[in-house]
Parts: sequence; C-alpha cells; structure tokens
Amino acid sequence: DTEVTQTPKHLVMGMTNKKSLKCEQHMGHRAMYWYKQKAKKPPELMFVYSYEKLSINESVPSRFSPECPNSSLLNLHLHALQPEDSALYLCASSLRDSVTDTQYFGPGTRLTVL
Amino acid sequence: GIQVEQSPPDLILQEGANSTLRCNFSDSVNNLQWFHQNPWGQLINLFYIPSGTKQNGRLSATTVATERYSLLYISSSQTTDSGVYFCAVRMDSSYKLIFGSGTRLLVRP
Repeated sequence: DTEVTQTPKHLVMGMTNKKSLKCEQHMGHRAMYWYKQKAKKPPELMFVYSYEKLSINESVPSRFSPECPNSSLLNLHLHALQPEDSALYLCASSLRDSVTDTQYFGPGTRLTVL
Repeated sequence: GIQVEQSPPDLILQEGANSTLRCNFSDSVNNLQWFHQNPWGQLINLFYIPSGTKQNGRLSATTVATERYSLLYISSSQTTDSGVYFCAVRMDSSYKLIFGSGTRLLVRP
C-alpha cells in the first residue's frame, strides 16, 4: 500500500478564517512533506518533517503552521491567509528523508482564499 | 543549484500514438523520479530511476546518468495518459527534490 490521504479535497476560506489541512499515511514512513503548487507550475517544497521533528522550513510565512502529532499524521494550520495563497497543497511521505528514498504524494487539497 | 529541463513543454497526440519525453539535468543526481499529474491534481509515481532502464506496461524509462538525461516512453497512448509529466531529481548535497517544469500531454480520441 503506497497511499497518502489528504482531507479535505477542496477548501474555500476567507482571509480571517482559521482552517487546517490533514495528511495521513500508514506506510511506516518517517519523513513527511508539505508542497504548494500554483497553476501550471511544478510543486514547491514548504516543510519537511523527519521523525516527527520539523527539519526544513523553506522560509514559509508564519500564517502557515505545520504540525506532526505522530508518525502517521501531518497537519497544516492556516490563519489569516491571502488570496495569493490559493493553490493546490500536496502532502508527501518517504521512508526516511534520505536522498535515495522515493516520495509518494497524496491527492492534494485545492485551497481557495477569498 | 541544479537545473532540470523538460521537453517538449506541450505535446498533443492521437490515441494510439507513441511519444518520448525528455528530462535533462545539470549535475549528478542520486534520485530521479517520474510523476504523472492527472487532471485532478494527483501526482502519481511512475518510476524511481536514477540510472538504467525500467518498464511498466506501456510506459518505460531510461536514465543515462553519465550524460545527465532521462527519457520517458509512452506507447499506444490512451486518453487517460493526458496530464502533466514531471521529472524530479535530488542530489547528495541537496535536501529536496527539484522538479522540472513539466510536459503537458493531451491525448485526443
């Protein structure tokens, strides 16, 4: 089973709302990632968690707050977003955060900020 | 940093045709993955292929690491092959996957 699940599939929120995106995997992977993808562009890395600890933050604004409560679950908390934050948010996981590990992606959450 | 270039940027095929997509990279890599992003946004793993040749059904891939390129072959294309194909690489000295800009494929019935 190489499945990464994400909820919700779609999310519409106002600039003053607080919402969360959820990502789950049951492959025993110990590295999890958040990516942001704008239309007609490739995915861009936002955060990396390795063994439930944040190891990489790609200078992401603080209105995005990641959380890794356990080895299977990754959340992305959203607060006071801007319309330009509208994008597809993809979660991925790999066995470890090793250069030779394959990353598996979830189906994404399509976010619209009004 | 490493540069990843994919060609062609856009490709339109009739169903049943064959195609070759190319990924050039500017430095030695230890990880190369091919993905298919379907129209709903899901990134589907096709191949993990830092070197050599692999086949999976109608798809095959070859990476010539010494010459810094990888090819993805699609044979007997179907409308469900439509979408964007990304190649992504990672070097020993890098902490992240670097994606190419993708090849957008449309297969017409």
